Amino acid sequence: ETGVTQSPTHLIKTRGQQVTLRCSSQSGHNTVSWYQQALGQGPQFIFQYYREEENGRGNFPPRFSGLQFPNYSSELNVNALELDDSALYLCASSLDRGVGDTQYFGPGTRLTVL
Amino acid sequence: QKEVEQDPGPLSVPEGAIVSLNCTYSNSAFQYFMWYRQYSRKGPELLMYTYSSGNKEDGRFTAQVDKSSKYISLFIRDSQPSDSATYLCAMSAQGGSEKLVFGKGTKLTVNP
Repeated sequence: ETGVTQSPTHLIKTRGQQVTLRCSSQSGHNTVSWYQQALGQGPQFIFQYYREEENGRGNFPPRFSGLQFPNYSSELNVNALELDDSALYLCASSLDRGVGDTQYFGPGTRLTVL
Repeated sequence: QKEVEQDPGPLSVPEGAIVSLNCTYSNSAFQYFMWYRQYSRKGPELLMYTYSSGNKEDGRFTAQVDKSSKYISLFIRDSQPSDSATYLCAMSAQGGSEKLVFGKGTKLTVNP
């Protein structure tokens, strides 16, 4: 059984560009959440997808969007990049939306916006 | 006021010491409390998961939740150099698989 994987590991973009980050959930997991972790801060919830539908969103502007595919892999898209978008982007998957369940995090994608 | 407050440290202790890490929170809807460990350049890894108030022990780790004081703690006994990492508290109103609200993290170094 493989864990949560993310690609790419690192990415450098310039302000105004668009970026797509990818996540493969742990086998059998149907729920994926995305978090942004700025340097020296805890992760902040961006949004969650459950069975291909958005299920909750944090305090992030609409230029942050996502997709979950039938195989439960996921993408995070960020348009019109700003310098403050530089951060570690973490994907976390859960077996299901249950009160006893937990989230398993991937290693993250480090995005630098110049 | 931030929903979850955590002293970022850094905290440096000798090997074998007892370590105490703490978080306070303001949202009384939080029912599920977690501690994650994050090594440098890695994603967070779940250490402890508790529901509502009380204590939970797992090996050298003990998690305590006091909902009346809105205060949670993680104790590490007989700390090891391999425990050196950033420790993040996280909380949720709806469950461990739902939106998590994290503290800033406390950077711990255990010196041999």
